[in-house]
Amino acid sequence: EPEVTQTPSHQVTQMGQEVILRCVPISNHLYFYWYRQILGQKVEFLVSFYNNEISEKSEIFDDQFSVERPDGSNFTLKIRSTKLEDSAMYFCASSGGQGVTEQYFGPGTRLTVT
Amino acid sequence: DAKTTQPTSMDCAEGRAANLPCNHSTISGNEYVYWYRQIHSQGPQYIIHGLKNNETNEMASLIITEDRKSSTLILPHATLRDTAVYYCIVRGLRGSNYKLTFGKGTLLTVNP
Repeated sequence: EPEVTQTPSHQVTQMGQEVILRCVPISNHLYFYWYRQILGQKVEFLVSFYNNEISEKSEIFDDQFSVERPDGSNFTLKIRSTKLEDSAMYFCASSGGQGVTEQYFGPGTRLTVT
Repeated sequence: DAKTTQPTSMDCAEGRAANLPCNHSTISGNEYVYWYRQIHSQGPQYIIHGLKNNETNEMASLIITEDRKSSTLILPHATLRDTAVYYCIVRGLRGSNYKLTFGKGTLLTVNP
């Protein structure tokens, strides 16, 4: 069964460093998303991406964040200058569109900023 | 998207049906009810969704009341591996805006 994959599973970085979180969505899906979950809190939407551009972003997704689909398979989230409060689980998701609206999530990347 | 209300937690005995309620009294006519679950900080897992008819798949059944103001997710024979936080999410389908807004959900604990 096709699934969303994410790498790395755990990333430790120092405050102020740049990180790139990587995702491989399900191959025929058209819509891509990033969510995050701070420990003990709700899952929060960050950004959605369709047709090579951002379709919606939340207030959390400020200028420090960017997304890219560099090729036909990868979808990345970059945080330019990490802060302590960026420590969280980051989940990538994809959905097919065209009536297939359920989103399938990856296992997540645990980002720890020290 | 309409707001949902779910109990904070529920218990269920292994092998019995788990019935998880959700209130969504402000749901509008073009909004769907989605259910996801999250097992111990793993990625949320899609379970089922529906508009107004009852739905069933290999994981669960979804019963939506006739007025659409509430719904119940039914896991027919709960197992220990069904212990998870279950999220009821109401979402419209406007344009390409498919984001999911998660609440706190219901922590279902399946007991042996």
